[in-house]
This record gives sequence, structure tokens and C-alpha cells, in this order.
Amino acid sequence: GNSVTQMEGPVTLSEEAFLTINCTYTATGYPSLFWYVQYPGEGLQLLLKATKADDKGSNKGFEATYRKETTSFHLEKGSVQVSDSAVYFCAQKGAGSYQLTFGKGTKLSVIP
Amino acid sequence: DAMVIQNPRYQVTQFGKPVTLSCSQTLNHNVMYWYQQKSSQAPKLLFHYYDKDFNNEADTPDNFQSRRPNTSFCFLDIRSPGLGDAAMYLCATSSFFAGAVDTQYFGPGTRLTVL
Repeated sequence: GNSVTQMEGPVTLSEEAFLTINCTYTATGYPSLFWYVQYPGEGLQLLLKATKADDKGSNKGFEATYRKETTSFHLEKGSVQVSDSAVYFCAQKGAGSYQLTFGKGTKLSVIP
Repeated sequence: DAMVIQNPRYQVTQFGKPVTLSCSQTLNHNVMYWYQQKSSQAPKLLFHYYDKDFNNEADTPDNFQSRRPNTSFCFLDIRSPGLGDAAMYLCATSSFFAGAVDTQYFGPGTRLTVL
């Protein structure tokens, strides 16, 4: 079945450090891929998405590229801020499917 | 701004006492979802509505019910809450058009405590 695997956390970085959170997926066909962010005590916010191979999603300095050959959608940011501290979820969804399959989430803490 | 609204943000109930959580949306999306998220876990889909068509996930307990009286509103009813039902409940919406389901947008969640 469809699944998403993302790197285990927690991840602790110093402010202005480079961030990578790895995400790989297994799916039949070509799913859409998403990164959602969840701040403490809040719901999920869509951070970025990509709907086909080689698409790059970007938002608020975060980027992720849909790599069909490696079935990956790694999240990157060049310089993290304390305000980026949150839990990040990678997710996939088939085109005609209602089901959004999440990874387990990666908690990021950024320290000044 | 178009959005997904959940009320209340925090709900405390007693063991076995029915509780209803509310979700409304101004996005005019035809699909609405309810998720349960326990601490340090990914959200788990309970059910969704496509317009008025209700779709239950196979492993959703019978204790959980839902109503969608119109496009804008959807309710989650927990008939007899147990301690294990304490969680964050997330509502989400998306549009379904021409055979494709678009991105899901989430509300801020309701944190349910069961005493």
C-alpha cells in the first residue's frame, strides 16, 4: 500500500543553520506530495506541495522537489529561525483519492 | 480570508458524556474530513463527506458519528467518550472536481480532554 517515511526526530538546530528533513514515499502511480507544518497546540498548515515529477514546491524559504527516480520529497531551508520550531509532516495523496497518507512527523527545535 | 473554523478550541467532557465538536468553512469545498490526532502521532482519518455522502474509515469506532447539515458545517459526535478518546480533533476540507481531489486545508483543531 501507499506509505510515507520521514526521518525520525527530534531535530535540534542553531538559528541560521541549514535544514534538511528527508521524506520518501511508496505509491502506485504518481501521487501529489505535501509538507504540512504544525505549530504547538495548532492544526496543520499547508507549507508546500508538488503535483508531478520534478516540480519544486516553495514557501517561506522552504523548498522541496518531487523526485520520481528516488521517490523522495525532501524538505530544505537554507537558514532556519526560532519561529520555524514545529512538527513537520510529509504526506502523499493519489489523484482520485481522498486519503492523505502522512509520515510520522519530525519535530524541529531551533535554538538562538 | 477563506478558512476552516473549529469550535471550541478546547473541550472538556466527562467519561461517557456525549460531546459534539463543530467545524465550519468558508472555502465552499464539497469534501469535509475529520481526523483524530493523538500526542506525537500523525493525524488519523476517521471519516469524510463528499457533499452529503458519508464515508467511514473501516477502523473508526461506532462511538464516533458525524453530521453534515449543509456545505459549510460538519459536526463530530462522540457518543460515549472514553479516556482513550482524548486527542486533538482536526477538521479539513478540499474540493473534488473532474475526478480529482484537491489539497486538504485544515482547521486549528479542538483539543478534547476526557475526565
